[in-house]
Amino acid sequence: QKEVEQNSGPLSVPEGAIASLNCTYSDRGSQSFFWYRQYSGKSPELIMSIYSNGDKEDGRFTAQLNKASQYVSLLIRDSQPSDSATYLCAVSMEYGNKLVFGAGTILRVKS
Amino acid sequence: DAGVTQSPTHLIKTRGQQVTLRCSPKSGHDTVSWYQQALGQGPQFIFQYYEEEERQRGNFPDRFSGHQFPNYSSELNVNALLLGDSALYLCASSLWGLAVYNEQFFGPGTRLTVL
Repeated sequence: QKEVEQNSGPLSVPEGAIASLNCTYSDRGSQSFFWYRQYSGKSPELIMSIYSNGDKEDGRFTAQLNKASQYVSLLIRDSQPSDSATYLCAVSMEYGNKLVFGAGTILRVKS
Repeated sequence: DAGVTQSPTHLIKTRGQQVTLRCSPKSGHDTVSWYQQALGQGPQFIFQYYEEEERQRGNFPDRFSGHQFPNYSSELNVNALLLGDSALYLCASSLWGLAVYNEQFFGPGTRLTVL
C-alpha cells in the first residue's frame, strides 16, 4: 500500500464548476497535510496547508481533513482554465519533517 | 524577498559522471530539503539539512550526498550517474523546529538528463 494515494485522473471539469480532489494516507501518525499545484515543466507551488480536522478556506480553495478516515481533500470553487495543473497531496509525520507525496491528480478545466 | 533559487536550470551528463546541484533557501529559512521527481511521479525525499548536518535521509543510495553551508545554502552531489538518475531535482526551504506553520517552499528545480 502506498503511503499517500491520489487518483491520477485526469479530472475534467467545466469552467465555473467545483473541482474536488482527494487524497488518502496510510500513517495515522501524520500531523501536517499540504496541497501543492504543479504546472507542466514547473516546480510545485504550495497552495494550502491544514493541520486540524475540519475545513480551511483560502479564497477559492478549501482544504478538508478527516484524520479518523485518513482523508484529505481540496475543493476548488469557480474553476478556471488557469487551474489546469497537477495537484500534489503531501503528508508529514512531524512538523518540519520530510514530506511524503502522492503521485498527483491531473486537473483539466474546460472553457 | 528572494525566493528559493537553484542552479543550474538544466544539466546533461553521461553515465558514470558526477554532478553538483546548488540551492539557496528563501530569506529567513534555515532548513533545506532535497527531492527527486521522476516524470509522472510525485517528488521523493532525498535528505534534509539543518545546522550543516544531514538530519533525515530517504531511501537513496550513498551515491547521493549533500552539504549545507553556514549561509544555509546547500549542495546535492550525485556520483557515478545512472540513466535512472534522470529527473527533476527540487530543493525546498523551511524553518526548522516544531512551528505550526512549518511549510516547505520549492525552488524552480534542476532538470538533470543522464545519457
